[in-house]
Amino acid sequence: DQQVKQNSPSLSVQEGRISILNCDYTNSMFDYFLWYKKYPAEGPTFLISISSIKDKNEDGRFTVFLNKSAKHLSLHIVPSQPGDSAVYFCAASANSGNTPLVFGKGTRLSVIA
Amino acid sequence: DTGVSQNPRHKITKRGQNVTFRCDPISEHNRLYWYRQTLGQGPEFLTYFQNEAQLEKSRLLSDRFSAERPKGSFSTLEIQRTEQGDSAMYLCASRSIVLGELFFGEGSRLTVL
Repeated sequence: DQQVKQNSPSLSVQEGRISILNCDYTNSMFDYFLWYKKYPAEGPTFLISISSIKDKNEDGRFTVFLNKSAKHLSLHIVPSQPGDSAVYFCAASANSGNTPLVFGKGTRLSVIA
Repeated sequence: DTGVSQNPRHKITKRGQNVTFRCDPISEHNRLYWYRQTLGQGPEFLTYFQNEAQLEKSRLLSDRFSAERPKGSFSTLEIQRTEQGDSAMYLCASRSIVLGELFFGEGSRLTVL
């Protein structure tokens, strides 16, 4: 039973345009959400997080939006760069972020120059 | 480098053999996690420690798996009588109690022949 779902296995975007990666969750106890980026043969790298008390968090080119009523979050990357090409994982945690992270299956982003 | 360190990075073994992986977390982090990742999947939680106490184990962690963190610093994950289904990337991560994000190591890839 997937509690965190990333329904798009892959996404292709042109350099300079916006990349939007989506994530849905089913567990209403989740209150802390994170996005990780992973290159081949490396461990996941933390990108950005958001607490359920917010609906938006921004860090440079990366913005995460949270819609609690829809149990949906998205990661926006603007402008997209070729170096952003990687697999992006959405993750969620409960109890103010104290329970182990539950990850989605990931979305492979390809940014085309 | 003060990141999470894992070794060996790659291990090839024959079915039925035992293997052990080591993880050295970021020194000031008191929580240490083990995850497993297979092709096309996100990281799946196995177990975590707070200092030397093992606080939670996933049902994915069969009796053949054992993890320790004897002095609250490094941790080991041992798999006994390996099976081909154990082939995966084993990821270690650490965090402080205060911050929610996990910092991952580069992983230990296990191939069981």
